[in-house]
Amino acid sequence: GENVEQHPSTLSVQEGDSAVIKCTYSDSASNYFPWYKQELGKGPQLIIDIRSNVGEKKDQRIAVTLNKTAKHFSLHITETQPEDSAVYFCAASNTDKLIFGTGTRLQVFP
Amino acid sequence: KAGVTQTPRYLIKTRGQQVTLSCSPISGHRSVSWYQQTPGQGLQFLFEYFSETQRNKGNFPGRFSGRQFSNSRSEMNVSTLELGDSALYLCASSITAKTNEKLFFGSGTQLSVL
Repeated sequence: GENVEQHPSTLSVQEGDSAVIKCTYSDSASNYFPWYKQELGKGPQLIIDIRSNVGEKKDQRIAVTLNKTAKHFSLHITETQPEDSAVYFCAASNTDKLIFGTGTRLQVFP
Repeated sequence: KAGVTQTPRYLIKTRGQQVTLSCSPISGHRSVSWYQQTPGQGLQFLFEYFSETQRNKGNFPGRFSGRQFSNSRSEMNVSTLELGDSALYLCASSITAKTNEKLFFGSGTQLSVL
């Protein structure tokens, strides 16, 4: 079945710097790759997603890239702000299941 | 539109007891999924319900069960609780059961087993 690995598990950056979180997946049939952000005391919330027919997608300060050949995708956050501090989860799905990575705790220091 | 509502917010039980958690999805959403969140393990899929039918199940023992009602509200039950069942249980709803659809999560039920 599908397996999703996510790195790093924790990431600390200075405000204004960029942050990159990487995920790899095992099932070549996976075709949908969402990213969720979980703030303290809340449930995860979708922040951006990408489908397998697209290599890159941007939404203001966040972007996601997908390399289908290597089976990995990444989340890029530019000009980080303290409110970006949260746990980020990547996920991959085929037609059967949505499998999440183990999460990355991002801390942005002022 | 109200979001996904999970009750109770916190729960403390002892080993051997059973527990029932409730999830009310967003109005109009017919799919409800349940996840177990523990530190270091991320979000582990428990099961998914659509139109009162279980469509998918994760790799959890039979002590974990669930159901969905005709109004799409869902409950999950854990019997014979073990210490390792301590976790945040999240439910998520979506309009359909497609895996490439946005999930809307509740804030979760924090279960502590003593």
